[in-house]
Amino acid sequence: QKEVEQDPGPLSVPEGAIVSLNCTYSNSAFQYFMWYRQYSRKGPELLMYTYSSGNKEDGRFTAQVDKSSKYISLFIRDSQPSDSATYLCALRSGGYNKLIFGAGTRLAVHP
Amino acid sequence: ETGVTQTPRHLVMGMTNKKSLKCEQHLGHNAMYWYKQSAKKPLELMFVYSLEERVENNSVPSRFSPECPNSSHLFLHLHTLQPEDSALYLCASSQNHRDRLGYTFGSGTRLTVV
Repeated sequence: QKEVEQDPGPLSVPEGAIVSLNCTYSNSAFQYFMWYRQYSRKGPELLMYTYSSGNKEDGRFTAQVDKSSKYISLFIRDSQPSDSATYLCALRSGGYNKLIFGAGTRLAVHP
Repeated sequence: ETGVTQTPRHLVMGMTNKKSLKCEQHLGHNAMYWYKQSAKKPLELMFVYSLEERVENNSVPSRFSPECPNSSHLFLHLHTLQPEDSALYLCASSQNHRDRLGYTFGSGTRLTVV
């Protein structure tokens, strides 16, 4: 079983839609949960960061963590074409800054 | 220049060639990383350097040889690669190798081995 599972998509939505991106994981020791956004021909950039369970909101983005279900989500409200990118979840384990990444979900928001 | 800069952006090399990838960070960070990103696969951590000392090597074949001459520069020396080594190679940095807030990535080097 992979440590982190993420549907690769692609996910295609119309502009203005609410987007839900998800990852599941198997290791209950993960405590730090991150979402990275990667535009084509660019490296990933940190979008959201949460610690333990709960929600965190930043503008149109909401990160949600459910540790009991080992399930994390990223919601994008009022999606824009500029949100078209690959979104990677990343979970931190252990004493070193070792991030375990999902394979990424490719999102396309069309006008 | 700010952030993390990687050169070259694209590289095509034969299996018998020797080439090097370069990464430079202008953030004052003390830790640097090499990752491999293949299509539809998770990022694979290759090497971790903290203050020029290698602290992690994730079972990477010896045809990949990292070098960190100072905390701002990181190299990945390549020799006798295989076609399956074709991928996007990403460099990242963080304040230190225990930094909990994630990395700053470069734009990567797209490597094609022919």
